[in-house]
Amino acid sequence: NAGVMQNPRHLVRRRGQEARLRCSPMKGHSHVYWYRQLPEEGLKFMVYLQKENIIDESGMPKERFSAEFPKEGPSILRIQQVVRGDSAAYFCASSHRDRGSNQPQHFGDGTRLSIL
Amino acid sequence: DQQVKQNSPSLSVQEGRISILNCDYTNSMFDYFLWYKKYPAEGPTFLISISSIKDKNEDGRFTVFLNKSAKHLSLHIVPSQPGDSAVYFCAASALSQGGKLIFGQGTELSVKP
Repeated sequence: NAGVMQNPRHLVRRRGQEARLRCSPMKGHSHVYWYRQLPEEGLKFMVYLQKENIIDESGMPKERFSAEFPKEGPSILRIQQVVRGDSAAYFCASSHRDRGSNQPQHFGDGTRLSIL
Repeated sequence: DQQVKQNSPSLSVQEGRISILNCDYTNSMFDYFLWYKKYPAEGPTFLISISSIKDKNEDGRFTVFLNKSAKHLSLHIVPSQPGDSAVYFCAASALSQGGKLIFGQGTELSVKP
């Protein structure tokens, strides 16, 4: 999974705290996707961003979750007032998307979020 | 609403034999299909993909077959090696829907020496 960098790899928070997950896409990629994997489940889409724009947030919970991909710096997934159910592995993927064709998404190694 | 399904949670194969992993989908808008391999505590690694305009794509030991009329795809690994042991995820996307990936639940492949 060289190229897409996620940090931290592990994050422990107490209920009610905030969690910030960071993702730097592969060099040359301007499209970022966030996915969540709950225990014993497959990956579920959360949000798709390009630089300074949220393109599709149909998979994001309506409250407490937000994402950004600023002009400079990594993409951030922010979870406010965390609850136990937020415990999961959060994966970021990037692609070099051409509007006329599909390109594979490449994933980072994820951030494992644990809520105490 | 599970749009992509992998009905076999696990598969065990002898080294050197063929591994066949299956995947079914329901959304006819999907136009791009991918297989990922995942080890514990790592992210998914892209293996191979296929566009809906094709019915086969081959890359070394890996071949993906797509049967659009049956809404079914499969991944063949020949010959299987112990290092292939991992969880394999099938994923699908629609360019018209932004390219977000919809994943199956995964199949855990075990290749025994």
